[in-house]
Amino acid sequence: SAVISQKPSRDICQRGTSLTIQCQVDSQVTMMFWYRQQPGQSLTLIATANQGSEATYESGFVIDKFPISRPNLTFSTLTVSNMSPEDSSIYLCSVEGGKHPDTQYFGPGTRLTVL
Amino acid sequence: QKEVEQNSGPLSVPEGAIASLNCTYSDRGSQSFFWYRQYSGKSPELIMFIYSNGDKEDGRFTAQLNKASQYVSLLIRDSQPSDSATYLCAPRTDSWGKLQFGAGTQVVVTP
Repeated sequence: SAVISQKPSRDICQRGTSLTIQCQVDSQVTMMFWYRQQPGQSLTLIATANQGSEATYESGFVIDKFPISRPNLTFSTLTVSNMSPEDSSIYLCSVEGGKHPDTQYFGPGTRLTVL
Repeated sequence: QKEVEQNSGPLSVPEGAIASLNCTYSDRGSQSFFWYRQYSGKSPELIMFIYSNGDKEDGRFTAQLNKASQYVSLLIRDSQPSDSATYLCAPRTDSWGKLQFGAGTQVVVTP
């Protein structure tokens, strides 16, 4: 499977600020996904990011709050804008591919705390 | 509303026994199904996937799928303390790769 890294691994931010999370993959992948996992909860898909096109957002998530970039086939960023304590979560990127094309593999995650 | 239902647990299993985890899903269009293991503080790790009705075995893990009943299960044989984790069921709900995750079942293997 692909090796996925995320930066930062964790951060503590102030209310009203923004944080950009980076996701880097060691091989070219078509599909990248961004998830949120709130404390004690399961994973919720924020958006799907394909290279060269606008990200597709799930219900309840909007581009103004979670802008996403996908400049090439190995990199994506998710920005959490105008943060509030409710945005405290683990943010995970995943990619599809590898030995079995339909399978998704996750990065290590970014733990965000908003004060 | 497309839903994925799992028993939240905790499921307490003696070491060496079989852990049985169940998952039901509402989207009949789901074609492939994934099981992830998530240790506390870590990201999900893929352990099994299954596309066709029936059983699929991989080491100590067996996935079972019944599309007519919209039911998928995971068996862990010879459970070890290292199997203590939360197990997430995730049907793939569309051709773009979208996964819908259940809430997860916490498994605790006791020595």
